[in-house]
Amino acid sequence: EAQVTQNPRYLITVTGKKLTVTCSQNMNHEYMSWYRQDPGLGLRQIYYSMNVEVTDKGDVPEGYKVSRKEKRNFPLILESPSPNQTSLYFCASSLMGRGVGGEKLFFGSGTQLSVL
Amino acid sequence: AQSVAQPEDQVNVAEGNPLTVKCTYSVSGNPYLFWYVQYPNRGLQFLLKYITGDNLVKGSYGFEAEFNKSQTSFHLKKPSALVSDSALYFCAVRGEGRNTDKLIFGTGTRLQVFP
Repeated sequence: EAQVTQNPRYLITVTGKKLTVTCSQNMNHEYMSWYRQDPGLGLRQIYYSMNVEVTDKGDVPEGYKVSRKEKRNFPLILESPSPNQTSLYFCASSLMGRGVGGEKLFFGSGTQLSVL
Repeated sequence: AQSVAQPEDQVNVAEGNPLTVKCTYSVSGNPYLFWYVQYPNRGLQFLLKYITGDNLVKGSYGFEAEFNKSQTSFHLKKPSALVSDSALYFCAVRGEGRNTDKLIFGTGTRLQVFP
């Protein structure tokens, strides 16, 4: 089954404790992206990747890191989480490497992160 | 800058009645427009898109959307609502210029269909 898989689904952590949220897709998509969803703000893009070893900042990249060493994986790293990073996070992928102009995004089921 | 607006936080409709979820956009060129739906505890799912051509776009689950260039709108519609349509709906537009690699999402509209 074609899918985007995120882990974990729920995560509670404390301020400053490094964490990684994993994302994997099995559709051979070139484009991958991370979003955070907050009430009243919709989805905001954190980072995206056009292909292996190519990443770029989205609208809210501060406090986050990503890597794209393999085509299928795009982990999101919080080196020193803070309470304002408490949010619902989504990973997404798309077929086109040169942007998502005409192609739909496939989303993971989300990771609810709470930073205490 | 490119943007989309969803003026209603929530839309309530009775089952069997037609529904409309509103979206307006702001871009300088020709818009690429999308609708996504988010069911509880799930990620977003693609419903439909408009790139060019017929102003009435048909999508998944019986939804359609009407592109209106003069009103810069892309409203989502369904002739007869189902309780199972209750979800969070997001309108999105592709960025322009240096931002063509991203989708810009609205804040979402919660649709509640009552039996």
